[in-house]
Amino acid sequence: ETGVTQTPRHLVMGMTNKKSLKCEQHLGHNAMYWYKQSAKKPLELMFVYNFKEQTENNSVPSRFSPECPNSSHLFLHLHTLQPEDSALYLCASSQAGRQETQYFGPGTRLLVL
Amino acid sequence: QKEVEQNSGPLSVPEGAIASLNCTYSDRGSQSFFWYRQYSGKSPELIMFIYSNGDKEDGRFTAQLNKASQYVSLLIRDSQPSDSATYLCAVNPMNRDDKIIFGKGTRLHILP
Repeated sequence: ETGVTQTPRHLVMGMTNKKSLKCEQHLGHNAMYWYKQSAKKPLELMFVYNFKEQTENNSVPSRFSPECPNSSHLFLHLHTLQPEDSALYLCASSQAGRQETQYFGPGTRLLVL
Repeated sequence: QKEVEQNSGPLSVPEGAIASLNCTYSDRGSQSFFWYRQYSGKSPELIMFIYSNGDKEDGRFTAQLNKASQYVSLLIRDSQPSDSATYLCAVNPMNRDDKIIFGKGTRLHILP
C-alpha cells in the first residue's frame, strides 16, 4: 500500500464501547497527526507526534488516547465517547518540521450513538 | 489559539473565469501558508504553499501573501468544473514548525 492508510473507514459505536482507530504511513515520514473534522468547524488538530514523541495535545478530552509505537503507526483509542464526538477523524504524516510535506489519510467516519 | 478565517461561501464562478479565494490570519509571526483542496467525502490535499518571502505560481494556481494586512489569497485561472471543492487555508503559528492551523474553508462552485 502507498500513502497513508486508515482503518476502519467507518465506525459506529455506543457510548460505553471501546474501540481503536489505526493509521499507517508508507511515506518514510517521521511525524504523525490526528485531526478531527466536524461540520461547520475548522479542521481541529488533536495530537502531534514527532519521532514517536508527543509534541502537541490540543486540550483533547481523556476519552481520546493516542498511541504511537513507531514512526509508521499511529492509533487513537476511544472509550466512553459522547454523541458530539461523531466526526471524521483524519490521520496525516509529514517530515518533521516540514508541513508542506503533510499528507492525509482517507479518514475514519465515526458515529457515536 | 490563533485564528485563521475564511468566508465559507459558496463562491460561484463561471467556467473559464478567475476564482479568487481569501484568508486572514491573526498570528503576525506566521511564516508559512498553505492551501488545501478538499473534495466532498475526501481528505484534504495540499495544492500550494508559500513562505513569507513572496508569492508563488504553479500552473493555473497563484498564491499571494500580504503580510502587512495579514491575508493570503489563492487565485485559480481558467476555472474548471473539476475545481469545484472546498479550499482550506492553513498557517504555521509562530515558532511552531510541527503544526498548522486550519480555517473553516471556502466552498467553490464552478458554473459550467
